[in-house]
Amino acid sequence: ETGVTQTPRHLVMGMTNKKSLKCEQHLGHNAMYWYKQSAKKPLELMFVYNFKEQTENNSVPSRFSPECPNSSHLFLHLHTLQPEDSALYLCASSQDPGTPSSYNEQFFGPGTRLTVL
Amino acid sequence: ELKVEQNPLFLSMQEGKNYTIYCNYSTTSDRLYWYRQDPGKSLESLFVLLSNGAVKQEGRLMASLDTKARLSTLHITAAVHDLSATYFCAGPWRGGADGLTFGKGTHLIIQP
Repeated sequence: ETGVTQTPRHLVMGMTNKKSLKCEQHLGHNAMYWYKQSAKKPLELMFVYNFKEQTENNSVPSRFSPECPNSSHLFLHLHTLQPEDSALYLCASSQDPGTPSSYNEQFFGPGTRLTVL
Repeated sequence: ELKVEQNPLFLSMQEGKNYTIYCNYSTTSDRLYWYRQDPGKSLESLFVLLSNGAVKQEGRLMASLDTKARLSTLHITAAVHDLSATYFCAGPWRGGADGLTFGKGTHLIIQP
C-alpha cells in the first residue's frame, strides 16, 4: 500500500447505526486530518491530529468522534447520524507541519462515500 | 479563520484557449495551495505557494501568489481536454500549521 488509504470506500447506514471509518497513511507523516465534502458546502475541515494533539472545527456535531491511536492511523466514529451527514469523507496527512520543509502540503486518500438513510 | 473565494465557479472553454482562475482570501496568509479533483476521485496536490511573488509552473498550468493583494491565480495556457477537472485553492485554516480552508472550487470543462 502506498499513500493514504481509506476503508470502506462506500458505506450505507441507518440513523441508529454505529460505524467507523478508517484511514491509514504510508508516508511517514505526523499529522492527519478529516474533511467532509458534500454537494451543498465547500470542503470542510473536521478534525486535525498533530503529534496526537487534537484540534476540531467547532461546527462539527458530537455525533462524529475521531480517534488517532498512532501517527499512521486515524478513525472517524459515527453514531446516530442524520441524512444531511451523507457526504464524501476525506482523510489527509502531512509531514510535521512545524518544519519548514513540510510546507504542510496535504496528501489525500480516496475518500469514503457515506450515505445515511 | 481564513475565508477563501474562488471565481469563476464554473468555466467552459475551448481547447487551445487561455484562461485564469482567481482565488481571494480574507486574512493574511503566507501560503496558498492548489488542488485538482477529477470526478469521483480524491484531491491531487498541484502547487504549494509559500511567499509573496511566488510563481510555479507545471505543464500548461501556472500558479502565482500576491500576499499583499491576498490573491492567487491559476493560469491555464493552451487548454487541452485532459485538464478538465475541478480546481480548488486552499489556505491555512487558522493561519498556522494545521488544517486547510478550501474555496468552493472551479469546475472546468474544456471542449474540443
